[in-house]
Amino acid sequence: NAGVTQTPKFRVLKTGQSMTLLCAQDMNHEYMYWYRQDPGMGLRLIHYSVGEGTTAKGEVPDGYNVSRLKKQNFLLGLESAAPSQTSVYFCASSYSRTGLTDTQYFGPGTRLTVL
Amino acid sequence: AQSVTQPDIHITVSEGASLELRCNYSYGATPYLFWYVQSPGQGLQLLLKYFSGDTLVQGIKGFEAEFKRSQSSFNLRKPSVHWSDAAEYFCAVGARIGGSQGNLIFGKGTKLSVKP
Repeated sequence: NAGVTQTPKFRVLKTGQSMTLLCAQDMNHEYMYWYRQDPGMGLRLIHYSVGEGTTAKGEVPDGYNVSRLKKQNFLLGLESAAPSQTSVYFCASSYSRTGLTDTQYFGPGTRLTVL
Repeated sequence: AQSVTQPDIHITVSEGASLELRCNYSYGATPYLFWYVQSPGQGLQLLLKYFSGDTLVQGIKGFEAEFKRSQSSFNLRKPSVHWSDAAEYFCAVGARIGGSQGNLIFGKGTKLSVKP
């Protein structure tokens, strides 16, 4: 039982390049989330998904797109990377259909640098 | 709007000393409160959570937190800190972000350093 895994662990991009971050969970969770963590800012929600085939915007969605084609996977895409997207990205998942009280399980993070 | 404030950015305590990390929240309804810990280079791990009932909740690694509605606080405590407790600690409140969907609103975190 691997929990929540993220690929890749590190990545360096040039401004304007694109990339996709992959999150996978093997806990059969309905909800999945993408956060970014910046120094002194805590974690901020980018996008989330309440089930396969559904996605929604969080607090800071601009410049990102997501897809949830399979229940176990949640992809985060950067179409044209900008230096402001340099951050550590965390994926999380939770079981509950309400999403309000359930524990979120986090992946180890992806450190992205945009030059 | 819902929010979480952690007033202390960085705290240093001596090994064996007691610890209290402060958390204040702003939420109109009954809050669902969480404390997470992030060790260097790692993801977040849940320490404890409060939904209802006894206002003193016990968590993993010897941590506890007390919910005080009158003070809108949910402070994290540990009677004797170990060097391995050095990490960043995040308080969060469960809040609705659309319809019935809930999510976590995080504070900005408190970094704990432990002196030998």
